[in-house]
Amino acid sequence: NAGVTQTPKFQVLKTGQSMTLQCAQDMNHNSMYWYRQDPGMGLRLIYYSASEGTTDKGEVPNGYNVSRLNKREFSLRLESAAPSQTSVYFCASSGPTGNEQFFGPGTRLTVL
Amino acid sequence: QKEVEQNSGPLSVPEGAIASLNCTYSDRGSQSFFWYRQYSGKSPELIMFIYSNGDKEDGRFTAQLNKASQYVSLLIRDSQPSDSATYLCALGSARQLTFGSGTQLTVLP
Repeated sequence: NAGVTQTPKFQVLKTGQSMTLQCAQDMNHNSMYWYRQDPGMGLRLIYYSASEGTTDKGEVPNGYNVSRLNKREFSLRLESAAPSQTSVYFCASSGPTGNEQFFGPGTRLTVL
Repeated sequence: QKEVEQNSGPLSVPEGAIASLNCTYSDRGSQSFFWYRQYSGKSPELIMFIYSNGDKEDGRFTAQLNKASQYVSLLIRDSQPSDSATYLCALGSARQLTFGSGTQLTVLP
């Protein structure tokens, strides 16, 4: 089992460009999450999906959109990137309780 | 607003010592608590979870929960240089986790 996979691993964007971060899990988990991690700020929840077909905002959703494509895949889109979105983005998934979350390797995004 | 507070450190301990990491939280309704370990440049890895008051041991790791005082701690016995990492405390509620900012631990050989 690969667990949680993310693509790409690194990305550099110019202000105003758009991109989609991809996430997939093979653990048959219902819930999936997108976090960003900034120095000294810990992990902050951007969006989550409790089950296929549902998505909800987390703590810092502004500037992002998500799609739960199917049970395995959950993508994060930046429509118009800003320097404030420079961060490390982690995708995670969890089983029924939603609490024991397993993380992907992360995407390091720089917006110039 | 659920808040989770951790001392950011850095915390340094000599090899073989006990490392003690602490976390306090504000939401009295929280029922589940987690410790994640994150090596530099890597993703968080779940190492312990605890739901009930008291101690829970797993190998060299012991999680302690005191709901009345609203704190949870992680003890690492016989600390090794490979334990050097950032340790994140997290609160679970309604299928979401709220993370603290992490404590950086360095184990000195």
